[in-house]
Formats: sequence, structure tokens, C-alpha cells
Amino acid sequence: AQTVTQSQPEMSVQEAETVTLSCTYDTSESDYYLFWYKQPPSRQMILVIRQEAYKQQNATENRFSVNFQKAAKSFSLKISDSQLGDAAMYFCAYRETGGGADGLTFGKGTHLIIQP
Amino acid sequence: SAVISQKPSRDICQRGTSLTIQCQVDSQVTMMFWYRQQPGQSLTLIATANQGSEATYESGFVIDKFPISRPNLTFSTLTVSNMSPEDSSIYLCSVAGIFGNTIYFGEGSWLTVV
Repeated sequence: AQTVTQSQPEMSVQEAETVTLSCTYDTSESDYYLFWYKQPPSRQMILVIRQEAYKQQNATENRFSVNFQKAAKSFSLKISDSQLGDAAMYFCAYRETGGGADGLTFGKGTHLIIQP
Repeated sequence: SAVISQKPSRDICQRGTSLTIQCQVDSQVTMMFWYRQQPGQSLTLIATANQGSEATYESGFVIDKFPISRPNLTFSTLTVSNMSPEDSSIYLCSVAGIFGNTIYFGEGSWLTVV
């Protein structure tokens, strides 16, 4: 079974600084999707960024970017110019491709604190 | 992205009772899923809701406890049966996007069992 590991239960960063959240995963598949979701106190799960494993180029969405290392099975999220609104739980997630009906496998999450 | 509405958004339930959560999507989707998030924990997949057939349950979840319906491509329900305090959680409906490569979530249903 696939597993997703987030080794940082909590991270703190000063406003306007850059922070990197770590995620590793274990799979025997060669093609899959990886995601970062943000969960603010409202509990809504918000998609931050998505990466297809077959793509070598790292995904970027405005201030959010990933460092995808397929061989190392690593998928870290970098948040640049951190803002107070970025404070939330961040979950890394994995999903197989190939037309399967599988849902997401989540890591345990990282609580991100933004210091003003 | 799809707009996903869940009802109720929050409820306090008596132990031993059952509650049905509804999930409505604004467009037809192929895959719908139900997740549970216990307090302070990550999300765990309960089951995949299959249109026109029985749901596919993950290990540790059974149909008698979490019956699921999916009568069409835009609607699903999850029932939490014979509730105990351990069932106090957020239950989230999610759907796969049109190309199946992204999963979107409803706002969740926060249940407290007393």
C-alpha cells in the first residue's frame, strides 16, 4: 500500500519569508499524481498545487512551488513571501493514475504558523 | 473545478442514532469519495461511491456502519449509523475532476456525538 510521510508536525516562518514543507511517499507505481492541500481553521480542503509524476518540470502556482524528486520519492512545497493567510494545516497527498477509482492517500499534515 | 455542497455543515447527535450527510455536485462527475477526519488527525478514505452499484469500502470501514448511496452522477449520501462518541469527526465528500486527475472537496460536515 502507498504511504505518505510528512515529518514536520509544525513549522513556523516569519511573514514575507520563505518556508519549505517536506513530504516523502512510497509507491511501486511509475505514474501517479501528487498534491498539496491547505486546510485553514474553516476545515475546507483547498487544492494548492498538483504534480503529475511523468512530468519532469516542477509545478508552480504563484507563490507556491514544488521540488519533485521522483527517484528519491520526495515532494516538498515551497511557499515564498509567506502571508498571514497562509497559516493552515498542509497535507501532502498521493493518487494513482491509470483510470483507477482510488482516492487520495494523505500524510499526517504540517501545521504552518506565520509570525507577523 | 466543481462546486460541492454538503449538508449538514455541522450537527450534534445523540449516541445510538444515525445521521445522513448529503453531497451535491454542480456537474456530473465520474468518481465520488467519502473521507473521515477525526479530531487532530489527517483524512482517511472511507469509500468510493459508485453510481448504480454498491460502494467500495476501504479496510476498516463496513457498509452496515457507513451505508452510502449514489443514485446519479451528481449526488451521494453517507449515513453514519448507530453513532458513538468515537464517530465525532468531520466527514468530507470529494469528487474527481473532469479528467480524473484532481480531487476537489466539499466544505465538510462536522459531527459531534454526545
